[in-house]
Amino acid sequence: DAGVTQSPTHLIKTRGQQVTLRCSPKSGHDTVSWYQQALGQGPQFIFQYYEEEERQRGNFPDRFSGHQFPNYSSELNVNALLLGDSALYLCASSLAVTSGYEQYFGPGTRLTVT
Amino acid sequence: DAKTTQPPSMDCAEGRAANLPCNHSTISGNEYVYWYRQIHSQGPQYIIHGLKNNETNEMASLIITEDRKSSTLILPHATLRDTAVYYCIVRVAIGAAGNKLTFGGGTRVLVKP
Repeated sequence: DAGVTQSPTHLIKTRGQQVTLRCSPKSGHDTVSWYQQALGQGPQFIFQYYEEEERQRGNFPDRFSGHQFPNYSSELNVNALLLGDSALYLCASSLAVTSGYEQYFGPGTRLTVT
Repeated sequence: DAKTTQPPSMDCAEGRAANLPCNHSTISGNEYVYWYRQIHSQGPQYIIHGLKNNETNEMASLIITEDRKSSTLILPHATLRDTAVYYCIVRVAIGAAGNKLTFGGGTRVLVKP
C-alpha cells in the first residue's frame, strides 16, 4: 500500500516563473492538504481540497492555487515565484469521514527559487 | 485553534522514557490534542491524539491533565530513531472542512546513546 507520494523531489526555478507540484494521496484517502515549510520552521497550512473543491485556506496569496482531480490526486501551482517561496512543500492526505485526525504526509518537494 | 507552548529542545538517553510536555491553557472543550513528529528530511508523522482521556498506542502514550490545560507525550523506551522535532497541536475535528493543522515551533528531541 503506497503512502503519499509527491513529485518532483527537488526543483529549481527562477524568480517570476511558475511551478506545479504534484501529490498522490494514500490509497483510500479523499482529502489533500498542502503545507509550506521554510527552513527551521514548522509547516504552514496553505489549503485543503475535498471533493475537488478548496475547502479551507491559510494565509497565502492568490499566487498559490490548487486543484484536485477525480482520482483524489492534487496539484499545487505557484505563479510569479519569489525568493521567499523557497521551501519544502508538503502534501498530506486524510479521510474526511474520520475528520482527518490522522493525516499522512508525503516526503515533500524541495523548491529553490533563485 | 488554541495555541500551544513547548520547550524548544530536550535531550534524553537511549532506552529511557522521554517525557515531552505541552501547555495549551486556552484549549476549548471540543478541541483535541494531537502529536506529530518530523524526522530530519521527512514529512511529519502522526503519533497519537486524545480529547480528555489518556491514550496509548504502539508508538507512545498521551497523558492529558484533568483540566486539559496541558499534556505530556511519553515515548516509553527512546531509541536513536526517535530523534526528531515533536509538534503538539490542538484542533477541532470538524470533518472534511477542518483538517488544518497549525504547527508551532515544536520540541527538538535528541536521543543520545
